[in-house]
Amino acid sequence: GDSVTQMEGPVTLSEEAFLTINCTYTATGYPSLFWYVQYPGEGLQLLLKATKADDKGSNKGFEATYRKETTSFHLEKGSVQVSDSAVYFCARINQAGTALIFGKGTTLSVSS
Amino acid sequence: EADIYQTPRYLVIGTGKKITLECSQTMGHDKMYWYQQDPGMELHLIHYSYGVNSTEKGDLSSESTVSRIRTEHFPLTLESARPSHTSQYLCATQDPIANTGELFFGEGSRLTVL
Repeated sequence: GDSVTQMEGPVTLSEEAFLTINCTYTATGYPSLFWYVQYPGEGLQLLLKATKADDKGSNKGFEATYRKETTSFHLEKGSVQVSDSAVYFCARINQAGTALIFGKGTTLSVSS
Repeated sequence: EADIYQTPRYLVIGTGKKITLECSQTMGHDKMYWYQQDPGMELHLIHYSYGVNSTEKGDLSSESTVSRIRTEHFPLTLESARPSHTSQYLCATQDPIANTGELFFGEGSRLTVL
């Protein structure tokens, strides 16, 4: 069935370090893909998205490329900040098109 | 961008009480959703609605119920709360124009049942 698998956390980095959070998905066709971020005590916010293969989503220094060959949508940032500390969720639209399916979330902690 | 409001943000209540979590949106989006977020942060779809008088159960079985009498409101009700209902509940709407499945979330209601 439809699913999203992302790397387990927590991920602990120093400020200005490079970040990668892996995400892979099962696919029938080419679903839209998303990264959401949840800051402490808040709801989820859309970070970036890609709606077709080879698209690159980007926002706030984060990037992710929709790679159909590897069914992946890895999140990257070249230089993380303390303010990036949050939980990151990879998501895809389900096959029925009725809702988003989320990965289990990856907690990122950045220290100065 | 949707404006979505959830109340209460935090609720601590005793076992057996009836509770209603409110979700309101001001953008007129037809599609609305309730997700339950467990302590491990995983999100599970428990209810969704495509519009007025439409409600469907999600992937995770839930003892809660929902109603959609007006486009703006999508309340979730637990008739008799139990400790196993302790969780964060997130309401969301879908942007019909973007047509990509993107969801807009409220800030959540954190429920603790003693």
